Amino acid sequence: AQSVTQPDIHITVSEGASLELRCNYSYGATPYLFWYVQSPGQGLQLLLKYFSGDTLVQGIKGFEAEFKRSQSSFNLRKPSVHWSDAAEYFCAVDSGGGADGLTFGKGTHLIIQP
Amino acid sequence: EPEVTQTPSHQVTQMGQEVILRCVPISNHLYFYWYRQILGQKVEFLVSFYNNEISEKSEIFDDQFSVERPDGSNFTLKIRSTKLEDSAMYFCASSAGDHEQFFGPGTRLTVL
Repeated sequence: AQSVTQPDIHITVSEGASLELRCNYSYGATPYLFWYVQSPGQGLQLLLKYFSGDTLVQGIKGFEAEFKRSQSSFNLRKPSVHWSDAAEYFCAVDSGGGADGLTFGKGTHLIIQP
Repeated sequence: EPEVTQTPSHQVTQMGQEVILRCVPISNHLYFYWYRQILGQKVEFLVSFYNNEISEKSEIFDDQFSVERPDGSNFTLKIRSTKLEDSAMYFCASSAGDHEQFFGPGTRLTVL
C-alpha cells in the first residue's frame, strides 16, 4: 500500500526566510504527487502537482517542489515566506487510477515568526 | 472559476441520529470523493464514486456509510447512526479523471 511521510510536524520560519517542507512517499511506480495547503477552518487548496516530465514544478503563491525518484521525495520550497503562508501543508499521492483516493501525509504546521 | 460546494458548513447531531452531508461537484466532473479529517489529524479517504457506483472505498467506509448521486448535480454522504467518533470535518472532492481533485470547503460534523 502506498504511504506518505511528512517527518516535520511543526516548522517555524522567520518572515522573509526560505522554507523547505519534506515529503517522502512509498509506492512501487511513479505516483502522481500533490501539495495542498489548509488555512485554519478552511478547505484544501492545491498548491502544485507532479505527474511527469520536468521534476521541478511551479505552483501558486510562489511555491515550487522537486520530485526526486532516487530519494522517493517531493519536497516543497519557497524562497521567501510571508506571514500569510502560516497554515497546514499536506503532501498527497495518487496511485494512478482515476477513481483512486488520495493518500495524505499527516501534515506540517508552518508557523511564521515576525 | 467553478468550485465544489458543500452544505451545511456545520452540522450538530445527537449520537444515533442519521445525517446527510451534501456536495455539489464541479459540473463537468465525473469522479466524486469523500474524505474525512478528524480534528488535528490527517485527511483520510473514504470513498470514490464514478458512473453511479462506488469505485473504491477505504476500511473506514463501513455499513453505516452510504453515498448517492440523487440527481445530476448533488452528491451525498449519509451516516446512518452517528457515533461520537464520527465527529470530523468531511470534505467532498471531484475530478475530471485527470488525477487532479478539487476539494470543497468541508462540513464540520459534531456528534454529541
